[in-house]
Amino acid sequence: ETGVTQTPRHLVMGMTNKKSLKCEQHLGHNAMYWYKQSAKKPLELMFVYSLEERVENNSVPSRFSPECPNSSHLFLHLHTLQPEDSALYLCASSPRQVTGNEQFFGPGTRLTVL
Amino acid sequence: KNEVEQSPQNLTAQEGEFITINCSYSVGISALHWLQQHPGGGIVSLFMLSSGKKKHGRLIATINIQEKHSSLHITASHPRDSAVYICAVSSPVGREKLTFGTGTRLTIIP
Repeated sequence: ETGVTQTPRHLVMGMTNKKSLKCEQHLGHNAMYWYKQSAKKPLELMFVYSLEERVENNSVPSRFSPECPNSSHLFLHLHTLQPEDSALYLCASSPRQVTGNEQFFGPGTRLTVL
Repeated sequence: KNEVEQSPQNLTAQEGEFITINCSYSVGISALHWLQQHPGGGIVSLFMLSSGKKKHGRLIATINIQEKHSSLHITASHPRDSAVYICAVSSPVGREKLTFGTGTRLTIIP
């Protein structure tokens, strides 16, 4: 138990659906991250929020839309996804969005796009 | 070529064996992280180090900054150590960004 929770744990959706992934951290951290993990590829950073402000968007397609309403919650809104978007989506948090901080990861959401 | 390379990609060993996983990187870093990912996906941070050596239970991590190389050792390996071990490095400049290796899949056979 890392103090970072993600829901749902598994999600199957069609290409025309709209769904949202939720992440919540109970650690009092100020920075939150979305990562994508595809089979046989390194983890890829998608978005970083620091103090609820988006500070990095790693060239992610617009069909992924993040939202950070407060420092404890992070959402990833999904619409018109493609089958190649099927992956494990991991949320993480850290005390501050500065270099050298340890990140705490959630259990991930396994997404399948049909 | 990835900025962070791990070897081996897959490792199978008998229970009790001494395990070594290697990580080499080609960029400047402020810190190197070793992470553990069990089946099911969740990732746990094992170590964060910028010099020397750290030990936690049966796990030891070392880093050589000059050679841009780190190793993760597991002594007296156990089947519950079976997982994917991921090396990641922190950029030394500006905001936190981790660059990840592809991971080493470790299987310990009873």
